[in-house]
Amino acid sequence: EAQLVETGGGLIQPGGSLRLSCAASGFAVSSNYMSWVRQAPGKGLEWVSIIYSDTSTYYTDSARGRFTISRDSFKNTVYLQMNGLRAEDTAVYYCARWVGLARTFDMWGQGTMVTVSS
Amino acid sequence: QSALTQPASVSGSPGQSITISCTGISNDITGYKYVSWYQQLPGKAPQLMIYDISNRPSGVSNRFSGSKSGDTASLTISGLQAEDEANYYCSSCTASNPLVLFGGGTKLTVL
Repeated sequence: EAQLVETGGGLIQPGGSLRLSCAASGFAVSSNYMSWVRQAPGKGLEWVSIIYSDTSTYYTDSARGRFTISRDSFKNTVYLQMNGLRAEDTAVYYCARWVGLARTFDMWGQGTMVTVSS
Repeated sequence: QSALTQPASVSGSPGQSITISCTGISNDITGYKYVSWYQQLPGKAPQLMIYDISNRPSGVSNRFSGSKSGDTASLTISGLQAEDEANYYCSSCTASNPLVLFGGGTKLTVL
């Protein structure tokens, strides 16, 4: 069964860096569009970033310049490198597979919590 | 970028039908058909319930249906069950940034 498992969350001080990982099984991340979506405590969903199968990457305005999405085809894993973290980045970060033709997220991981606080 | 507006909460009794609206769908080519709905059970990850306005993924109950009229998409749940109690989010694509817009979410309470 295909699934996504995120790791790497934790408590980090403002200005710090963190790298989230999303290990996929049952399908190849390199052949799919993979994305990160976050959810602040008690709030709604917010799209953060996406990496296409051709390695093109896109970011929401608040993430551009601070976050970097990448993938390792051999490890079948997607990453989100987050630098210059701010309190407003505190959220559960979900990895999700984007289906381009339907423009929808058809698979989600369980999420990993990132808390930015001093 | 324009936001998608959903009611904060809706409620219904078991067996009844409810409809959740999502207003602000772009009428350009990127948004007019790419509307999705996600169910998020308490403490869980979102799950896709509807895509392309009205299509159900395999395994999703046919009690869930979607539609769209103008700039408003709707999710209807018929034959409400206690297990349907969750937060529901609509989403649509945009022509620029952000790539995907989500609605603010609607909390469904089954009375």
